[in-house]
Amino acid sequence: ELKVEQNPLFLSMQEGKNYTIYCNYSTTSDRLYWYRQDPGKSLESLFVLLSNGAVKQEGRLMASLDTKARLSTLHITAAVHDLSATYFCAVKDSYGGSQGNLIFGKGTKLSVKP
Amino acid sequence: GAGVSQSPRYKVAKRGQDVALRCDPISGHVSLFWYQQALGQGPEFLTYFQNEAQLDKSGLPSDRFFAERPEGSVSTLKIQRTQQEDSAVYLCASGRGWDYEQYFGPGTRLTVT
Repeated sequence: ELKVEQNPLFLSMQEGKNYTIYCNYSTTSDRLYWYRQDPGKSLESLFVLLSNGAVKQEGRLMASLDTKARLSTLHITAAVHDLSATYFCAVKDSYGGSQGNLIFGKGTKLSVKP
Repeated sequence: GAGVSQSPRYKVAKRGQDVALRCDPISGHVSLFWYQQALGQGPEFLTYFQNEAQLDKSGLPSDRFFAERPEGSVSTLKIQRTQQEDSAVYLCASGRGWDYEQYFGPGTRLTVT
């Protein structure tokens, strides 16, 4: 059974600081996603990571994937208040008859304070 | 273009009532997924359709939950005899195929009182 763990679950940062969110998953998968969710809103896709060593950057966010370690990171550079949200990683479940549904972590609630 | 839409956005039901939640996927999308997101948690898979065929319903928590997509486009998730533990946000996602990115709708927040 595929399991996805994120840490930390809560993160309070000061503006301008850097931090990293970690996502571990338990079995092999060929696809990992990062999503952002604002309160009361749906999921906004940030990154899709397909292969070992993949690195993608958008603004102050950078995501990477190590398939051998089954680990993805979401790095935040020089945080600003607008980044406050909950961030989810999700891994595509490709085994055991699954049709490609996503298994989500519990999310990291990020709060950026001035 | 139009994204995934869901209706109603909010639903309050008394315990024991039946509810129906609608999902309009992106036009032409073959795959349609339903997820349940409890407060403070990540979404959890409920069921998957490829066109009109329900290929995976392993995530449905009980036989009170039923989903259909009769013409391969709009889908309805029905919950019979709602219970308090059914209170959650129900998210629908569609994609060009099972191996393609999923696009999420805004969700329906169900509150069972």
